[in-house]
Amino acid sequence: GESVGLHLPTLSVQEGDNSIINCAYSNSASDYFIWYKQESGKGPQFIIDIRSNMDKRQGQRVTVLLNKTVKHLSLQIAATQPGDSAVYFCAAPVCDSNYQLIWGAGTKLIIKP
Amino acid sequence: GAGVSQSPSNKVTEKGKDVELRCDPISGHTALYWYRQSLGQGLEFLIYFQGNSAPDKSGLPSDRFSAERTGGSVSTLTIQRTQQEDSAVYLCASSSPLLTGNSYEQYFGPGTRLTVT
Repeated sequence: GESVGLHLPTLSVQEGDNSIINCAYSNSASDYFIWYKQESGKGPQFIIDIRSNMDKRQGQRVTVLLNKTVKHLSLQIAATQPGDSAVYFCAAPVCDSNYQLIWGAGTKLIIKP
Repeated sequence: GAGVSQSPSNKVTEKGKDVELRCDPISGHTALYWYRQSLGQGLEFLIYFQGNSAPDKSGLPSDRFSAERTGGSVSTLTIQRTQQEDSAVYLCASSSPLLTGNSYEQYFGPGTRLTVT
């Protein structure tokens, strides 16, 4: 079946450095991907999305890169700040669904002072 | 305006008891979703409402789980005869595809942490 998964359960980075969170997916027909951020005790919050006709999309301090050849996407956070501490999820629509997402297990980003 | 709210924030119940979890979506959001999140895991889809109807109940784990939505707004997730494996955080989200053009951009509440002892 379809799957979306993150490479590392935990990522520890120095404050001020760039963070890169990786995600792999199994369905080559997936045409849309979305990143959510979940802070402790809160629900997930939409960060950025990308469609498969793009290789890169930039937001405020965040960039998502999509490599369809190897079915991999990454979320890059520039100049990581303490407020970036959270669990980050990549997700993709379930095949033939216009509302249901399949979620990865999440990567916990830890910021070292 | 206000975001998605859920109540209670925490619920401890004894095995075998029934529980009701409440979700107040963002005003005007037509779509509402319930998810379950176990510790260290991603989100498990439970049910989706469009208005008051639930076209997709496929994620409900068993017939002990049910949900309803009234007035196109508030939703209640009910778990009957709770079991220890029901312990998790139950998240509610709402979206407005007509406004955002994107049904995947969902707005989540803080969740209800359910502990079954």
